[in-house]
Amino acid sequence: EPEVTQTPSHQVTQMGQEVILRCVPISNHLYFYWYRQILGQKVEFLVSFYNNEISEKSEIFDDQFSVERPDGSNFTLKIRSTKLEDSAMYFCASSDFGTGTYEQYFGPGTRLTVT
Amino acid sequence: LAKTTQPISMDSYEGQEVNITCSHNNIATNDYITWYQQFPSQGPRFIIQGYKTKVTNEVASLFIPADRKSSTLSLPRVSLSDTAVYYCLVGDYNAGNMLTFGGGTRLMVKP
Repeated sequence: EPEVTQTPSHQVTQMGQEVILRCVPISNHLYFYWYRQILGQKVEFLVSFYNNEISEKSEIFDDQFSVERPDGSNFTLKIRSTKLEDSAMYFCASSDFGTGTYEQYFGPGTRLTVT
Repeated sequence: LAKTTQPISMDSYEGQEVNITCSHNNIATNDYITWYQQFPSQGPRFIIQGYKTKVTNEVASLFIPADRKSSTLSLPRVSLSDTAVYYCLVGDYNAGNMLTFGGGTRLMVKP
């Protein structure tokens, strides 16, 4: 069964450093997303991406965040200058169109630890 | 988006049927009801989706009464591996729309 993959599984960085989280969505999917989950809290939407542009973003997704689809397979989330409060599990997801369900396929996540 | 209310936690034993009810009094005409499952340190996983009446797949059943103000996720004969957080989501989730997760129901299955 096709699946979303994410790398790295765990990233430790120092406050103020830039990090890039990588995702490979399911190959024929058209919509891509990033969510995050701070330990013990809800899954929160960050951004959605379609047709090479952001289609929706939350208040969390400020100027420190950016997304990119640099080639036909990867989808990346960049945090320019990490803060302690960016420590969380970051999930990439992708979805198809016209399947009749509103199913998003989530990756296993990248645990980001900012020290 | 319709606000959802579901129990914070539930306990069950292996082999039992588990029913998790979600209340969504303000559901809109175009809203669908979708359930996701999340294991510790993993991403959420779609379980089932419905609009009205009953939907069944290989994993679960979803019961939706005629007024659609609530829904019940039914897991038949749970096992230890069904221990997870279950989220009820309600919305007009067109393709590309974000999902809004609440706190979910933490199901603990005991031997």
